[in-house]
Amino acid sequence: DAGVTQSPTHLIKTRGQQVTLRCSPISGHKSVSWYQQVLGQGPQFIFQYYEKEERGRGNFPDRFSARQFPNYSSELNVNALLLGDSALYLCASSSGMGFSTDTQYFGPGTRLTVL
Amino acid sequence: AQTVTQSQPEMSVQEAETVTLSCTYDTSESDYYLFWYKQPPSRQMILVIRQEAYKQQNATENRFSVNFQKAAKSFSLKISDSQLGDAAMYFCAYRSQNRDDKIIFGKGTRLHILP
Repeated sequence: DAGVTQSPTHLIKTRGQQVTLRCSPISGHKSVSWYQQVLGQGPQFIFQYYEKEERGRGNFPDRFSARQFPNYSSELNVNALLLGDSALYLCASSSGMGFSTDTQYFGPGTRLTVL
Repeated sequence: AQTVTQSQPEMSVQEAETVTLSCTYDTSESDYYLFWYKQPPSRQMILVIRQEAYKQQNATENRFSVNFQKAAKSFSLKISDSQLGDAAMYFCAYRSQNRDDKIIFGKGTRLHILP
């Protein structure tokens, strides 16, 4: 079975532009979460989507938005990019059932650089 | 709000020796999950070990074990018989026992294995 996949691998944008990152969860998983990992820091939770509904939101500005499609893949959109948005964006998938044994599996991430 | 603190930015250990990574957390919740994640250089984040707060017994996974002290809000990771492949960034992480998958990560400890 394929793991969590993310595209693109790397992305370079300039300030003020908009970016869309994509994530495909593990087959059978209905939950996708997005995290931002700034260099040298731990990941920070941005969003969780389960069954196409937003289940959780972190402390990020409205420039960040996401959605989940009927096939459970997800997109993260960031508008009006700032230099501080440069980071590794991680996607994680899980069954979404919330059990203690429900593991989140992380993708390889998308490295976004804002110039 | 919950917080996770890792006070050791970097650690080194000789191959085949034992090393302990420290983590403390703060929460007012009584039921939650704790994790240690491993992030090798330029590779995906993977789950090393998990602990349910309601379980008194410390979790073990092969060479990895934890020392969970609920009253002290301490959750350390012990790696026995360290191997070169253990070199990575290790993140201590917390998840509430509620509907969402939000994981709160510490800043990480970079572990170097000396041959």
